[in-house]
Amino acid sequence: DAKTTQPNSMESNEEEPVHLPCNHSTISGTDYIHWYRQLPSQGPEYVIHGLTSNVNNRMASLAIAEDRKSSTLILHRATLRDAAVYYCILRDVKFGAETSGSRLTFGEGTQLTVNP
Amino acid sequence: DAGVTQSPTHLIKTRGQQVTLRCSPKSGHDTVSWYQQALGQGPQFIFQYYEEEERQRGNFPDRFSGHQFPNYSSELNVNALLLGDSALYLCASSLGSGTNTEAFFGQGTRLTVV
Repeated sequence: DAKTTQPNSMESNEEEPVHLPCNHSTISGTDYIHWYRQLPSQGPEYVIHGLTSNVNNRMASLAIAEDRKSSTLILHRATLRDAAVYYCILRDVKFGAETSGSRLTFGEGTQLTVNP
Repeated sequence: DAGVTQSPTHLIKTRGQQVTLRCSPKSGHDTVSWYQQALGQGPQFIFQYYEEEERQRGNFPDRFSGHQFPNYSSELNVNALLLGDSALYLCASSLGSGTNTEAFFGQGTRLTVV
């Protein structure tokens, strides 16, 4: 499985932008870049995903490098509720003899602390 | 619209016993994946079900088995429980089993093996 590298932890102040980096130098052409976050005592929550172009949604923006070897999750205005572990994941498809499927391979993630 | 629901929320079992965890996917979703999350670590993929078949499997022993029903709900069974099986078990559902899909997670079942 292709791997990602993220900083263990980052800090931000409330209402300031946050840029969470992710390196994925072994990404293949068909891997989608997914971001999930996990708040304490909850299951992971989908944030955003993309393939090649930058993506925006109501939660965040995803900036993907031209060579796709890195990406950055951007929270435009951090709130206290954004404090969570953020996971950068390459979603791959495995083709077996008769079936195919995809998995999310979670790493350690980045623990984001938001200061009031 | 109910999201992914898992039951039970907490469970305590004795080493050597068997356990069954249940998952109802988000409405309209046909694919269910199971993950194990040990304390302080990221979730680890166990397996994925689509069209009632196991489509992909992670690095887990055969003691871990599953099933998907015609209504897309799913069960995770673990036999011969070990202390190391204590973890949060997460179910995720999606529409289809491809890479360009969002996965929605339940709150998980906290399993403690004593």
